[in-house]
Amino acid sequence: QSVLTQPPSASGTPGQRVTISCSGSLSNVVSNYVCWYQKLPGMAPKLLISRNHERPSGVPDRFSGSKSGTSASLTISGLRSEDEADYFCAAWDDSLRGRVFGGGTKLTVL
Amino acid sequence: QVQLVQSGAEVKKPGASVRVSCQVSGYDFSNFDVNWVRQATGQGLEWMGWVNSITEGLAQKFQGRVTMTRNTSMSTAYMELSSLRSDDTAIYYCARGDAMDVWGQGTTVTVSS
Repeated sequence: QSVLTQPPSASGTPGQRVTISCSGSLSNVVSNYVCWYQKLPGMAPKLLISRNHERPSGVPDRFSGSKSGTSASLTISGLRSEDEADYFCAAWDDSLRGRVFGGGTKLTVL
Repeated sequence: QVQLVQSGAEVKKPGASVRVSCQVSGYDFSNFDVNWVRQATGQGLEWMGWVNSITEGLAQKFQGRVTMTRNTSMSTAYMELSSLRSDDTAIYYCARGDAMDVWGQGTTVTVSS
């Protein structure tokens, strides 16, 4: 059971917009920054969003992040076939004094 | 460019220990923590802990079984996991800093009798 809760799956067709949620609590999502990672099979995770909504250099602006209260979201606009991957949210947890990940969301591009 | 290069795959027997290294380049090693994360087959990402130039911080689950160190002169961080069990079979990654913005390529550790 992950500390941060994500839907196990999501899907969309090319060109659509998809949003993946990440639900936490006061000790993690509310109090600390949320990051999002993309995980392709056989590859290392890739940082997509840091500090709730900041995109590192090289990440397309189709990817955006937001946070409100105990939830954070990753939105992918203009969905492309290469976006098919697992997506994970993460945050520091003040109670556990460590980082916590969501269980991951498998995105399928139909 | 910033790179984290990890040591090669390991096969260990239950009860043994394994040490994975992570050599960094392209930035000042002293200025960033190094995090360790693992992923078992079909499972999610699991944060294990971090190490900086002063101390380490471990996830509760790994306290007493994991040691994280770093050698500044070699720009290398190490993660040692002891008393290995079959469920420690996973890919182990190192990653830079609070945001974990750059990752190593991963090291496969297989625990099998």
